[in-house]
Amino acid sequence: GAVVSQHPSWVICKSGTSVKIECRSLDFQATTMFWYRQFPKQSLMLMATSNEGSKATYEQGVEKDKFLINHASLTLSTLTVTSAHPEDSSFYICSARGGDIPGPQHFGDGTRLSIL
Amino acid sequence: GQNIDQPTEMTATEGAIVQINCTYQTSGFNGLFWYQQHAGEAPTFLSYNVLDGLEEKGRFSSFLSRSKGYSYLLLKELQMKDSASYLCAPMDSNYQLIWGAGTKLIIKP
Repeated sequence: GAVVSQHPSWVICKSGTSVKIECRSLDFQATTMFWYRQFPKQSLMLMATSNEGSKATYEQGVEKDKFLINHASLTLSTLTVTSAHPEDSSFYICSARGGDIPGPQHFGDGTRLSIL
Repeated sequence: GQNIDQPTEMTATEGAIVQINCTYQTSGFNGLFWYQQHAGEAPTFLSYNVLDGLEEKGRFSSFLSRSKGYSYLLLKELQMKDSASYLCAPMDSNYQLIWGAGTKLIIKP
């Protein structure tokens, strides 16, 4: 149980392109979803937290107009990187938590984004 | 402030036992999670401790002492596939996980 699917796994695109990443909880309802970014050999960095039906809460230093998050249902959240540039290249990982608080976050497989 | 302290890297032998220690300081506390992360992959959930004591789950056990701000993950009968980073993540008063850089565990034959 507690499976989270993240798509796509890899994205390579040109600078200026907008990229959408989907995160789905397959067998549970995700009350809260989290979006992380991780650079090589560094710790996970929380970008934003989203609850179904409400606006995402962004961490300090994360541009909400650049990283658009939508959590329209209890099983789906999307992250759109708008007008991506090479410095946005990173490993983006979503996680989801069900109704149990506190409870574990279950992670998707991550999306490796490379901007040329 | 909030802080996590784990060794950066550890090496152990296949078949042996290894203990990965973690000390933490958080604003409030709602339990502590251990995750495993293989290189280039997302973390996977291993264990959760909210009360003091030892939680055993197969080859992996996790211990918590809230008064000392201390936890450890114990891995027994090490296998090559256990080579990974192990992340200690306490949960603060806002139910947010606090992430450190983790401990990279290298298993040698």
